[in-house]
Amino acid sequence: GEDVEQSLFLSVREGDSSVINCTYTDSSSTYLYWYKQEPGAGLQLLTYIFSNMDMKQDQRLTVLLNKKDKHLSLRIADTQTGDSAIYFCAESKTSGTYKYIFGTGTRLKVLA
Amino acid sequence: DGGITQSPKYLFRKEGQNVTLSCEQNLNHDAMYWYRQDPGQGLRLIYYSQIVNDFQKGDIAEGYSVSREKKESFPLTVTSAQKNPTAFYLCASSIRDRVNDEQFFGPGTRLTVL
Repeated sequence: GEDVEQSLFLSVREGDSSVINCTYTDSSSTYLYWYKQEPGAGLQLLTYIFSNMDMKQDQRLTVLLNKKDKHLSLRIADTQTGDSAIYFCAESKTSGTYKYIFGTGTRLKVLA
Repeated sequence: DGGITQSPKYLFRKEGQNVTLSCEQNLNHDAMYWYRQDPGQGLRLIYYSQIVNDFQKGDIAEGYSVSREKKESFPLTVTSAQKNPTAFYLCASSIRDRVNDEQFFGPGTRLTVL
């Protein structure tokens, strides 16, 4: 199958860490991405990780990849109200026809 | 400034009417994409184009049509054959259609069928 799954909602308090999880089914994926979507807007690429990496850190963002369990996570340190948005994970692969597959999105709500 | 634009932001259509959504990019990107977003379902690929005068069906192409006559433009027509067209439509582009090419997204068009 080609499903990318995420939980729909996450609520955290300002200043806490947020962890958004994603599971994917296709082991042939080469790149895994995290996108952010603010209300009524398009998607903005936050970060990505190549499938031969386990971890990538970029300022407040940490991406962890567990290839064995096909599990990807995005940790946001010191979460701020401006981080409230929908977060999508996506995988890309080249099995036959190249394509992106997006997850269902996780709506993060940051409470002041 | 380089970017990708979509118009209009909001669009209303009566049942049985065709409607065309605009997508323009000045990033000199070869590849362009159309996605549909429904609540709780993520993004689904409608059509994509790797180069001018060429396009391919995505996962949910039925009831939609596209053209790619110019590199900068990739309009999407939602036809009356699309049974449930109310959704948020997102256009994207990338330098090429390679696996590590970032996709840049437009701001989206919200289509409502009355």
